[in-house]
Amino acid sequence: DSGVTQTPKHLITATGQRVTLRCSPRSGDLSVYWYQQSLDQGLQFLIQYYNGEERAKGNILERFSAQQFPDLHSELNLSSLELGDSALYFCASSAGLAYNEQFFGPGTRLTVL
Amino acid sequence: AQSVTQLGSHVSVSEGALVLLRCNYSSSVPPYLFWYVQYPNQGLQLLLKYTSAATLVKGINGFEAEFKKSETSFHLTKPSAHMRDAAEYFCAVSVGGNQFYFGTGTSLTVIP
Repeated sequence: DSGVTQTPKHLITATGQRVTLRCSPRSGDLSVYWYQQSLDQGLQFLIQYYNGEERAKGNILERFSAQQFPDLHSELNLSSLELGDSALYFCASSAGLAYNEQFFGPGTRLTVL
Repeated sequence: AQSVTQLGSHVSVSEGALVLLRCNYSSSVPPYLFWYVQYPNQGLQLLLKYTSAATLVKGINGFEAEFKKSETSFHLTKPSAHMRDAAEYFCAVSVGGNQFYFGTGTSLTVIP
């Protein structure tokens, strides 16, 4: 158990819909990272937050957004969903900004029908 | 731009044989390098990391990796494979400490 929790574990929805994925980092960790893992694109870094502020952006679509709240939990919002958005979405947390080990949550499996 | 290449998407070894998983990186500045393991239906777990100290890095579960700047490589090895090592392995590079770039992964099968 990494100490990072993600809800829900599974999510099935239809194209065009909007969903919110939730992540609670390990106690004391200030950084949260979001990743998308799909069969065809592998593990893609989406976005990072540190203590409530966005710090780095990767391959995140404009239809996707995220935020980190004062209690340090984070949400990833996915809108106007397409079939290709079906993937595993992982959240990871780390203590600081640079070079720290990231602890991964168990992931949310999103299926868009 | 930073990137990671993992040669061989699937590797099979016999139980007790040497495990060698290859990773090459591209970075314009000294990188920080990581190996993660993903067991079925689980998130990723850190095996080891290189942070510019010793070039030979020892990790958990008997794995180690050697940073070779001249070859821009960070290959993962284990002298003797166990059945429990069957998993997906990811190499990652971090420059600047914020963004992480993961390789496409190598699936390790251990044959009894």
